[in-house]
Amino acid sequence: ILNVEQSPQSLHVQEGDSTNFTCSFPSSNFYALHWYRWETAKSPEALFVMTLNGDEKKKGRISATLNTKEGYSYLYIKGSQPEDSATYLCAVVRNFNKFYFGSGTKLNVKP
Amino acid sequence: EPEVTQTPSHQVTQMGQEVILRCVPISNHLYFYWYRQILGQKVEFLVSFYNNEISEKSEIFDDQFSVERPDGSNFTLKIRSTKLEDSAMYFCASRETGIGANVLTFGAGSRLTVL
Repeated sequence: ILNVEQSPQSLHVQEGDSTNFTCSFPSSNFYALHWYRWETAKSPEALFVMTLNGDEKKKGRISATLNTKEGYSYLYIKGSQPEDSATYLCAVVRNFNKFYFGSGTKLNVKP
Repeated sequence: EPEVTQTPSHQVTQMGQEVILRCVPISNHLYFYWYRQILGQKVEFLVSFYNNEISEKSEIFDDQFSVERPDGSNFTLKIRSTKLEDSAMYFCASRETGIGANVLTFGAGSRLTVL
């Protein structure tokens, strides 16, 4: 069992605020890290996949970084909007094909 | 856009009954998975399936669970004799390949309530 930790567990921000959250994992046998966005009553959707130390990915106002040596990834949202409200899940891939999910960070953006 | 579909969306069953959850993965995907999330807990891996056989399973996936791909399109999860602790949201997912960078495409989930 691989312990993937996400913090904070939940976050309440005002529209326009920028925010970030963390995914921490043991750095050994790392293969890839995935971020998924999970809106209520929908299925999780992939945001980013990162494999290399120092990787940075960006999609609109959302970006992510990866540090495989120290075992963490940050997800940033610039200028949060109410439609960003969702649970953000990270998953670490080890041994080629096995995904280990964190508990998620639940983001609520108030208009 | 292609999607993974799951049925039923919600099933209520009595303890000890058999339940079959169905999934139709994306047609050109080769790897199939079942995950579950008990309310308030992490998403947990149950089983992965490739080339018509189980490639990996977790300690949760005991003899009460089985998976099948009976007709080349459906991918089913069967729980033979449900327990109260099987109550959870069950997600099917598929991937085009087994490469770690290849994302999972999830279905919307099947909520199982065992009474």
